[in-house]
This record gives sequence, C-alpha cells and structure tokens, in this order.
Amino acid sequence: GAGVSQSPSNKVTEKGKDVELRCDPISGHTALYWYRQSLGQGLEFLIYFQGNSAPDKSGLPSDRFSAERTGGSVSTLTIQRTQQEDSAVYLCASSRVETHTGELFFGEGSRLTVL
Amino acid sequence: RKEVEQDPGPFNVPEGATVAFNCTYSNSASQSFFWYRQDCRKEPKLLMSVYSSGNEDGRFTAQLNRASQYISLLIRDSKLSDSATYLCVVNSQDASKIIFGSGTRLSIRP
Repeated sequence: GAGVSQSPSNKVTEKGKDVELRCDPISGHTALYWYRQSLGQGLEFLIYFQGNSAPDKSGLPSDRFSAERTGGSVSTLTIQRTQQEDSAVYLCASSRVETHTGELFFGEGSRLTVL
Repeated sequence: RKEVEQDPGPFNVPEGATVAFNCTYSNSASQSFFWYRQDCRKEPKLLMSVYSSGNEDGRFTAQLNRASQYISLLIRDSKLSDSATYLCVVNSQDASKIIFGSGTRLSIRP
C-alpha cells in the first residue's frame, strides 16, 4: 500500500498478557517512530529508529516495552505483562528524512484496551 | 515545564470567523516547526511547515517568533471542516527528537 500500515487496528487483552503491535512503514522511508496517545491527550514519544543506527529508546515508559525493526522496514512494538494504564492508541509514523526535519506520515494506529 | 505547550481550548467560534492560537517551545536550539491537524479518532496529518519568515497557505498563516520561542497559526474565514485538534510540532536537531504539543481543540459552529 501507499501509506503506513499498522496492525491490529484494535486489540483487547487481559491485564498481564503480552501484546505485539506491528508497523509497516512507507517503502523507502528510513526513519520510523512509535508514539502513543491516551484518550484526549497529546502524543507521547516512545521510540525512534533511524536506518542502521541504534534506536532512541528514551521514551519507553518501562522495561515492559520493547521494539525492534527488522531489515530496516517492519517494526514490532511489544508490551509485556500489560497493565490497564497501557490502554491507548499506539501510532507509528515514518519519514524519508533522517534528520527530524521531514514530514511524518502516520498510520491509523492500533487501539489497545487492557481489561 | 513541557517542551511544547499549547492552550488546549476548546476554541468555539462561528463559521467565517478568524481564529488564532499560539504554541511555545522551551528548547532554543529547535530548528524545525510544524502544525499538524488531527481529526477525531484519526491519525495526525501535516497541515503546514512553519518558516522563519512566516508562510501562508490559503486561509492558513503560520508564523515563528524565535526570540520569544513561539509559533502561531491563524485561520481566516473558518469553515465547519476546520473543526479538529491542531498539534504544534517542534524538531530539535541536538535533542534528536520530534516533540508534539498536546493540541488545541477547535470547534467551528454554523
């Protein structure tokens, strides 16, 4: 497809379970970002991947959160032992420019609900 | 202090009115500035970049004041379809981050 693709679009899980969220960026975009947005709130930066460099993980809220990007393309965000406060929309964005000066293209997000 | 601060609103204005909102940023080394628009339950999309000299795109005008560290967005002749949340976005080269403000909610009434 032409845009950033995220899956699943909706995920309901029980507290304590692990979840994986997937992001397929726009082809050729080397920069990839994960944000989360709680209801009525702004975007909270989680992690940033740039080409083959070490990712900027400074926004990950706890060690239950991890992300990887395989082959410089698809990224997976994993949340272990989910808690209710993890409920949010997780947004992935990609950019063809690595120097934080380019437009970010967002996917439609993965809405996570932890019961 | 938040790195990027916006008045959350909501701004509720009649159709045809002019509305403006500001955004302040804390990092004086910030290099790039943007306004994004986010419709309810949708992903953010770029509205316009903000250039040092100020720039206009149709009914939208963006301005940057580096001395006071704020950017502004002016919407003229507002339309019902302008109802959305407007996100101020600041990139900082040295901090290697893109920071989103919490957004200003705008509602245009008939």
